[in-house]
Amino acid sequence: EVVMTQSPATLSVSPGERATLSCRASQSISSNLAWYQQKPGQAPRLLISGASTRATTIPARFGGSGSGTEFTLTISSLQSEDVAIYYCQQYNNWPPTFGQGTKVQIK
Amino acid sequence: EVQLVQSGAEVKEPGDSLKISCQGSEYSFSDYWIAWVRQRPGEGLEWVGVIYPHDSDTRHGASFQGHVTISADKSLNTVYLQWSNLRASDTAMYYCARLPTTSPYSWFDPWGQGTLVTVSS
Repeated sequence: EVVMTQSPATLSVSPGERATLSCRASQSISSNLAWYQQKPGQAPRLLISGASTRATTIPARFGGSGSGTEFTLTISSLQSEDVAIYYCQQYNNWPPTFGQGTKVQIK
Repeated sequence: EVQLVQSGAEVKEPGDSLKISCQGSEYSFSDYWIAWVRQRPGEGLEWVGVIYPHDSDTRHGASFQGHVTISADKSLNTVYLQWSNLRASDTAMYYCARLPTTSPYSWFDPWGQGTLVTVSS
């Protein structure tokens, strides 16, 4: 199965600053990658599909990029409500697999 | 608005059986795959399996094959995840999620609110 590796494990960013999260696939997955946000005590929520397409109602400060094996989620100006764990997921190969998550906190 | 509503929290003992549910609304239920995802306390997300309610085509993750059963009842717009022999290691939050395309190779959106399963003697 495709192994998804996220880095860093924890990211501390000041309010208003940029947050950059990485996700690497163990083999090429084209652009078949999604990003999810999970706030404490809540279910995951889709942010990005197709590596760069924002889901409905997701603010423009969230952006996704990459293809092949290297992907990035960028939060252009971190807000307090963005504190969460972020997961990537590939759906190019069977079975679908998730990264282990990056925890984003306020510095 | 597409919505998935899951059954309530459960507390069981090792060896017990259990069936939890996920009911979809505001879309053509039979036409979209639904997945189950496990999240153990303090851990990440693990794909359990997926079902296509139209014909009950089902695929399980290798770690779950033979230990869980996924089923669907189209007449009730509901899918199920069941165990016949629970283990303490099954303690987790279980989420259902719809695949918003007609292919099983897809992302998940939306997600249910989760069902907490606690297995303890």
